[in-house]
Amino acid sequence: DADVTQTPRNRITKTGKRIMLECSQTKGHDRMYWYRQDPGLGLRLIYYSFDVKDINKGEISDGYSVSRQAQAKFSLSLESAIPNQTALYFCATSDAKAGAQPQHFGDGTRLSIL
Amino acid sequence: SQELEQSPQSLIVQEGKNLTINCTSSKTLYGLYWYKQKYGEGLIFLMMLQKGGEEKSHEKITAKLDEKKQQSSLHITASQPSHAGIYLCGASGHNTNAGKSTFGDGTTLTVKP
Repeated sequence: DADVTQTPRNRITKTGKRIMLECSQTKGHDRMYWYRQDPGLGLRLIYYSFDVKDINKGEISDGYSVSRQAQAKFSLSLESAIPNQTALYFCATSDAKAGAQPQHFGDGTRLSIL
Repeated sequence: SQELEQSPQSLIVQEGKNLTINCTSSKTLYGLYWYKQKYGEGLIFLMMLQKGGEEKSHEKITAKLDEKKQQSSLHITASQPSHAGIYLCGASGHNTNAGKSTFGDGTTLTVKP
């Protein structure tokens, strides 16, 4: 089983719909992140959380919200989806130990908004 | 903020050839990570470098961090079709930015059989 699991893997929906992307992890990491990846724009951070009571905006948080329901779960919501939110979305986790820690990624959710 | 620039943007090599991908930072790197991504899939963590001059290898892939800790290179020896994909470098922030990473835009590698 994957250490970082994202659901759904693919989603097609219409403009104006509310969408939730789920992420769960078995790595025991405190830190979790949501990114979107667009061709030519690389990975951009949407939100991140360093523990259950901590939520922080990333560089492109407008139009998105998150919920950290437990250490292992971090969900991303699009309240009213718009076509330019069509992208590949990644959840990632990292350890909170001192020193540099790499992030570990899920397999991604491909979201298309018509 | 720390920016990472990767070069080349894309690379096409014949199977069996060696290749190098570079990642340059505008600031001193605290932690440098290399990832591989198959098209449309997740990022697979390859290795992490922290110390100036450090070098690590995994099978036929070797990554180095220069002494000044501002540039890293990823070298693949005797490339194979299985090496094809997108290679991204990432870097950790230090102090107040600890826990957040910045990523390069990626290098797309095609290996021709």
